[in-house]
Amino acid sequence: AQSVAQPEDQVNVAEGNPLTVKCTYSVSGNPYLFWYVQYPNRGLQFLLKYITGDNLVKGSYGFEAEFNKSQTSFHLKKPSALVSDSALYFCAVRDPTGGSYIPTFGRGTSLIVHP
Amino acid sequence: EAQVTQNPRYLITVTGKKLTVTCSQNMNHEYMSWYRQDPGLGLRQIYYSMNVEVTDKGDVPEGYKVSRKEKRNFPLILESPSPNQTSLYFCASLSGGHPNTEAFFGQGTRLTVV
Repeated sequence: AQSVAQPEDQVNVAEGNPLTVKCTYSVSGNPYLFWYVQYPNRGLQFLLKYITGDNLVKGSYGFEAEFNKSQTSFHLKKPSALVSDSALYFCAVRDPTGGSYIPTFGRGTSLIVHP
Repeated sequence: EAQVTQNPRYLITVTGKKLTVTCSQNMNHEYMSWYRQDPGLGLRQIYYSMNVEVTDKGDVPEGYKVSRKEKRNFPLILESPSPNQTSLYFCASLSGGHPNTEAFFGQGTRLTVV
């Protein structure tokens, strides 16, 4: 079975400061990991993914994420937050050894960037 | 343009009146899924489909039905809606042949049952 946890319901950060949104996962094999962002009144949009290779992956809007196999984590990061980054962020995992390939999503973390 | 289209975007209905929320994708994806999003609960999967005529229950299937008669369409049916089905609903599709690819989501349907 696959699962993902986002331990923080909300993250607050000042504009210009670095941000981190945490995600941990559990799968039986090597995971495929994804981050999505949801702006108000919109559907989820893909940000970035880790499949294999370099543990640091870069995505849209200046976001990056670091895969850490020993800690089973895939934290989302950005060096300098913008007010426009305020949104709901979801981490997701797909287990390529599973039968359905349907992703499991975390509960979401609300990121609030203060001016 | 690759997209998942849901209709309607907003719907207010009364308890017990059957309704259907449509979902269509233009990417020839095998997998489609319905989620509901509620405050504090994140995304919860209602039903999913791995291909035409193949559907299965997700985590919260009670009170919902789906069908997959064509690859592009995956409607969500509420036979007798109740107020506890008031929620924000999302349809998603993704490639089954390439599990390393991301999901595409519709814009959402905000349903209110009074």
